[in-house]
Amino acid sequence: SQTIHQWPATLVQPVGSPLSLECTVEGTSNPNLYWYRQAAGRGLQLLFYSVGIGQISSEVPQNLSASRPQDRQFILSSKKLLLSDSGFYLCAWSLSVDTQYFGPGTRLTVL
Amino acid sequence: GENVEQHPSTLSVQEGDSAVIKCTYSDSASNYFPWYKQELGKRPQLIIDIRSNVGEKKDQRIAVTLNKTAKHFSLHITETQPEDSAVYFCAASRTGNQFYFGTGTSLTVIP
Repeated sequence: SQTIHQWPATLVQPVGSPLSLECTVEGTSNPNLYWYRQAAGRGLQLLFYSVGIGQISSEVPQNLSASRPQDRQFILSSKKLLLSDSGFYLCAWSLSVDTQYFGPGTRLTVL
Repeated sequence: GENVEQHPSTLSVQEGDSAVIKCTYSDSASNYFPWYKQELGKRPQLIIDIRSNVGEKKDQRIAVTLNKTAKHFSLHITETQPEDSAVYFCAASRTGNQFYFGTGTSLTVIP
């Protein structure tokens, strides 16, 4: 069966520091991969999605970037964090014409 | 692009009563409609889904209806229980590559 991992689970970072969040999927090939951000008490904001290695679509221009170095690995990065980057970051995967499954999430606090 | 609207944003019901959450979508090409339940601090979990070739689907106390002509779909929870309290998200997708989420409904079941 398929499994999705995210790490770290929680992270506290100072403003201006870099960020790297990692997501990996097991048990499937060529998944579509997504990064979402969820502010406290709010909905799901799609940040990036990828349909294949090296193929990244950005939904919201900001100081974040994403990369997909391997088929089942998706990385979210920032060179300099802002206070507004705090939130719950969720990675998700899907196969075309099928549902989307979420990872356990990373709770990021920027101080 | 697709626009998904979800109502109500908050809903309180007495234990044992029914709860209904409604979503509308704008893209007539959307053909897959999942519903997710998110408990506090956890990832969204798929609870039921429906495809455009089906008008209704049921799974124990949960049912989803779809009206393609009117472009709306609804989640029905019968005999609600306190453990049904959570935030519920609807979503619409075409081809499964991109998922467009509603803004969420916070359901509280009062014992």
